[in-house]
Amino acid sequence: DAGVTQSPTHLIKTRGQQVTLRCSPISGHKSVSWYQQVLGQGPQFIFQYYEKEERGRGNFPDRFSARQFPNYSSELNVNALLLGDSALYLCASSSEADRADGYTFGSGTRLTVV
Amino acid sequence: GQSLEQPSEVTAVEGAIVQINCTYQTSGFYGLSWYQQHDGGAPTFLSYNALDGLEETGRFSSFLSRSDSYGYLLLQELQMKDSASYFCAARRNYGQNFVFGPGTRLSVLP
Repeated sequence: DAGVTQSPTHLIKTRGQQVTLRCSPISGHKSVSWYQQVLGQGPQFIFQYYEKEERGRGNFPDRFSARQFPNYSSELNVNALLLGDSALYLCASSSEADRADGYTFGSGTRLTVV
Repeated sequence: GQSLEQPSEVTAVEGAIVQINCTYQTSGFYGLSWYQQHDGGAPTFLSYNALDGLEETGRFSSFLSRSDSYGYLLLQELQMKDSASYFCAARRNYGQNFVFGPGTRLSVLP
């Protein structure tokens, strides 16, 4: 079975541009969460979506937005990119909105802003 | 605020036992998870403690003390493949908003 898949794997953008990152959860998983991991630090929670509804939001500016589609895949959008947005963006999925175990991460999208 | 503390690095030899500690200050604390992440890889779920006490899963065990705001991950019979970064993550409220610690880099030497 396929795990959590994210695309693209690597991306280079210029300051001020906009970027869209994509995530396909494990088949049957309805909850998708997004995290930002800066090099050398732990992941930081951005959003959680469950059944297309936002269930949680971390301490990120409004430049960050996300959505979930009927097939439970998700997109993370970041507008007006800053150099500090350079990071590994991780997507995690689980079968239910409130499970702590079985929380599976994808390998991430490495975003570099120049 | 929300914060977790872990040692930045730990070194041990193959076959040994190592303990990685984690202290937390998190509002709405609901439980503590542990993840392993190899360089360039995805974080992999290891364990979750919602209640005080010890949880054992094969060579890995995890402990939680809510009264001390403290937990640890115990790795036994260390293998070279255990060399990785280990993160504790506090679960906030009954959802999936996890606050991760800074990570502990474990190096296993032959």
